[in-house]
Amino acid sequence: DTGVSQNPRHKITKRGQNVTFRCDPISEHNRLYWYRQTLGQGPEFLTYFQNEAQLEKSRLLSDRFSAERPKGSFSTLEIQRTEQGDSAMYLCASTPGTGQNEQFFGPGTRLTVL
Amino acid sequence: AQSVTQLDSQVPVFEEAPVELRCNYSSSVSVYLFWYVQYPNQGLQLLLKYLSGSTLVKGINGFEAEFNKSQTSFHLRKPSVHISDTAEYFCAVKKGGGTSYGKLTFGQGTILTVHP
Repeated sequence: DTGVSQNPRHKITKRGQNVTFRCDPISEHNRLYWYRQTLGQGPEFLTYFQNEAQLEKSRLLSDRFSAERPKGSFSTLEIQRTEQGDSAMYLCASTPGTGQNEQFFGPGTRLTVL
Repeated sequence: AQSVTQLDSQVPVFEEAPVELRCNYSSSVSVYLFWYVQYPNQGLQLLLKYLSGSTLVKGINGFEAEFNKSQTSFHLRKPSVHISDTAEYFCAVKKGGGTSYGKLTFGQGTILTVHP
């Protein structure tokens, strides 16, 4: 069990550029979540995958955001035409199954939009 | 929808003193409750969780929490803190049952600072 990994750990970009983040969940975890955490706040849910199916999206996930999990393993989160308000920590979490299992979090990708 | 309120944004305390971090939640359905800890520039680590059964739950690093349904609270306690407990702590809820997809709703966080 190597834990949830996220890459890159830090990303600095200029407003208007596109960025993509990757999350590798713990192997055999079929549920994967993306959260966003802004300074001084708790994480906020963005989207959820069960295997390759994206089953829920938050209203926070505007049209500029897209997430995929093509083979039910790793996931990517892309932000198009970044805005300064997108600056945040993007956290990925995975869990092995239904209901009660805890979510295991990755270290996050910190995005700074200049 | 569920919501979580952490009543203290910052809690300073001296080493070896007891501490309580307060959490209240709001939900019209049954919930599962969690406390996570986040060290600087790291992801979240689970401290403890309440799913059902005994209302007093024990977690890692000597932390415990008590679920109080009538007061809709889930306060975190430690009888004697250490410098290494300095971190940010998040209370979170998840809707019980099979259709929630398991997303967590977090509070705003409480920064615990332990002074020597």
